[in-house]
Amino acid sequence: DGGITQSPKYLFRKEGQNVTLSCEQNLNHDAMYWYRQDPGQGLRLIYYSQIVNDFQKGDIAEGYSVSREKKESFPLTVTSAQKNPTAFYLCASSWTTTPYNEQFFGPGTRLTVL
Amino acid sequence: AQSVTQPDIHITVSEGASLELRCNYSYGATPYLFWYVQSPGQGLQLLLKYFSGDTLVQGIKGFEAEFKRSQSSFNLRKPSVHWSDAAEYFCARGGGSNYKLTFGKGTLLTVNP
Repeated sequence: DGGITQSPKYLFRKEGQNVTLSCEQNLNHDAMYWYRQDPGQGLRLIYYSQIVNDFQKGDIAEGYSVSREKKESFPLTVTSAQKNPTAFYLCASSWTTTPYNEQFFGPGTRLTVL
Repeated sequence: AQSVTQPDIHITVSEGASLELRCNYSYGATPYLFWYVQSPGQGLQLLLKYFSGDTLVQGIKGFEAEFKRSQSSFNLRKPSVHWSDAAEYFCARGGGSNYKLTFGKGTLLTVNP
């Protein structure tokens, strides 16, 4: 079945540590996205990538980094510079970044900083 | 800047009752509008989308939405709610000068038996 997988489902991190969240898709989509979700805040865009080896900052990129070395993969690193990293992180993909393209979402990773 | 407003943070309905979730978007040319649903601890699933044409859009799970340009609204409706519809619902819009999909803050739906 085609879809998006995110791992792990739950992640615990100590303050000062970097952590990487995995996102893989087998939909053959060019575009991929990372969102952060906080209670009552909706979804906020962290980074997006239109194509392999290219990515752009979203609204809240500070303290995060990404790479896009393969079409299928778009890992997100939460660095120690992110002041409040505890949140639910969602990865999405679409055929292109054209606004009429539906975004497909993964099941999410819940990150908790201890 | 684009914005999406969902005025109702939390709605409670009885099973079998009708449902309307409100969504207002900031004015702009050719809005691309979406409704997504999210079950607790899960990702988002697309219910329906509107780009152009017929202003009444049918989606999955018996949902529909009506685009009203004069009111900048894209309200989601369902004639008879089922207990399994309990979830959080997000309205979103695309278009404008960037690639961003702008989400509302969501409406949490509780269904009473």
